[in-house]
Amino acid sequence: EVQLVESGGGLVQPGGSLRLSCAASGFTYSTYWMSWVRRAPGKGLEWVANINPDGTQKKYVDSVRGRLTISRDNAKNSLSLQINSLRVEDTAVYFCARQTSRDAFDFWGQGTVVTVSS
Amino acid sequence: DIQMTQSPSTLSASIGDRVTITCRASQGISNWLAWYQQKPGKAPKSLIYVASSLQSGVPSRFSGSGSGTDFTLTISCLQPEDFATYYCQQYDSYPITFGQGTRLEIK
Repeated sequence: EVQLVESGGGLVQPGGSLRLSCAASGFTYSTYWMSWVRRAPGKGLEWVANINPDGTQKKYVDSVRGRLTISRDNAKNSLSLQINSLRVEDTAVYFCARQTSRDAFDFWGQGTVVTVSS
Repeated sequence: DIQMTQSPSTLSASIGDRVTITCRASQGISNWLAWYQQKPGKAPKSLIYVASSLQSGVPSRFSGSGSGTDFTLTISCLQPEDFATYYCQQYDSYPITFGQGTRLEIK
C-alpha cells in the first residue's frame, strides 16, 4: 500500500525557517517524481515544487523561488521541503504527492500544517 | 501561467442526483487534465487523469470528458460519501495549476 506521511509543520514567526519531511513507503520511491502542494486557509490547492527521481531536476512556482528548496534522499525514501524567510502567506497545509509518468498526482499524504504568525 | 476556472464554486444536490462540474483552461491543454476529491482533514484523492481515464478503484459513477479548454466532471448518482470539494488540475505546462475548487454540499 502506498503511504506518504508528512511531518515538520508548526507555528513559526515571520522570517523564520522550517523543514518539512515526507516519508514514503509501499512503492519504489526512487523511480518517481515527487511534489509538494499546499492549500492556504480558504483557498484552493497550489503546486509549489517538484523533483525528479534522482534529485537532479527541481522546479518551483515563481512565487516561492529562492525561499523554498526541495530535496530527496532515496536511501531513506524521504522527501523534504526547506522553507526560509517565512511569510504570513506561507500559512497552509503542505501535502507531498507522488506524480504519475506525466505530471498528475496519484497518491497524496494527509498533510502537515504550517502557521506563520507573530 | 495557465488559469483554471471551475464552476460552480458551490453546488447543492441530493442523494441520487446527477451533477456536473465544469473546468475551463485559459489556453488549450490538450487532455492533460486531472480531477481530485478532497474531504476535510483528509488527503486529496485522485479520481480522473488525462481528462477521462478513471483512476483505479474509483467508482464508475464518476466520469470526465473534454479536451482543449473545456472539461467536465460528472457524478451520475450521488452517494453520501461524494459530498466533498473537487479540484481540476492542468499538467500541460509548468507551473502546474489547479482550479479554485467546487464544494459539493447536501441540499
